[in-house]
Amino acid sequence: DAGVIQSPRHEVTEMGQEVTLRCKPISGHNSLFWYRQTMMRGLELLIYFNNNVPIDDSGMPEDRFSAKMPNASFSTLKIQPSEPRDSAVYFCASSLRVTGANVLTFGAGSRLTVL
Amino acid sequence: KQEVTQIPAALSVPEGENLVLNCSFTDSAIYNLQWFRQDPGKGLTSLLLIQSSQREQTSGRLNASLDKSSGRSTLYIAASQPGDSATYLCAVSLYYGGATNKLIFGTGTLLAVQP
Repeated sequence: DAGVIQSPRHEVTEMGQEVTLRCKPISGHNSLFWYRQTMMRGLELLIYFNNNVPIDDSGMPEDRFSAKMPNASFSTLKIQPSEPRDSAVYFCASSLRVTGANVLTFGAGSRLTVL
Repeated sequence: KQEVTQIPAALSVPEGENLVLNCSFTDSAIYNLQWFRQDPGKGLTSLLLIQSSQREQTSGRLNASLDKSSGRSTLYIAASQPGDSATYLCAVSLYYGGATNKLIFGTGTLLAVQP
């Protein structure tokens, strides 16, 4: 398996533009997570899905952020409109949720810069 | 609110030295604790996972311990090598309505092993 695949790896955009980040989880995994990493706040969970259903979106900073998972092999995180404070590395991770240990596999991240 | 702290924030050691990284958490009601490694510009790689009922886990030169009652975990790296240079993060997994995948990350320790 190629692991968790994220795109784009780098995105530079101007304030006010729409940004869409994409994630393909590991085949067979039924949980998917979006994290944001900044120097100031570290890694923060934004939202996570179980079997394509959003379970906890309490980490989504505001209405400008939205996430979807239309099927088991694809998820998007959208920011509209983007602001400079959204600049961060956004990670997607997936896992197989079973009783006991749940080990997450992270993608390489999407580095977003909003000018 | 669960808070996870890691000390020290940065550490530089000569090759071959044994070292200990520390992680503390404020709420002992955790499901498990994981240690991750993050290389610059890359995602996170899970190193060790300790269930709340366990005291330690070992993998090669790595040993992680967990003292849930005191809210502490340590990651011991034996005979450090330059290839161990990375940021090490600990994360606690919270009970959440039967789902145990919600990870709260620490701030990380940046390790540099000098050849």
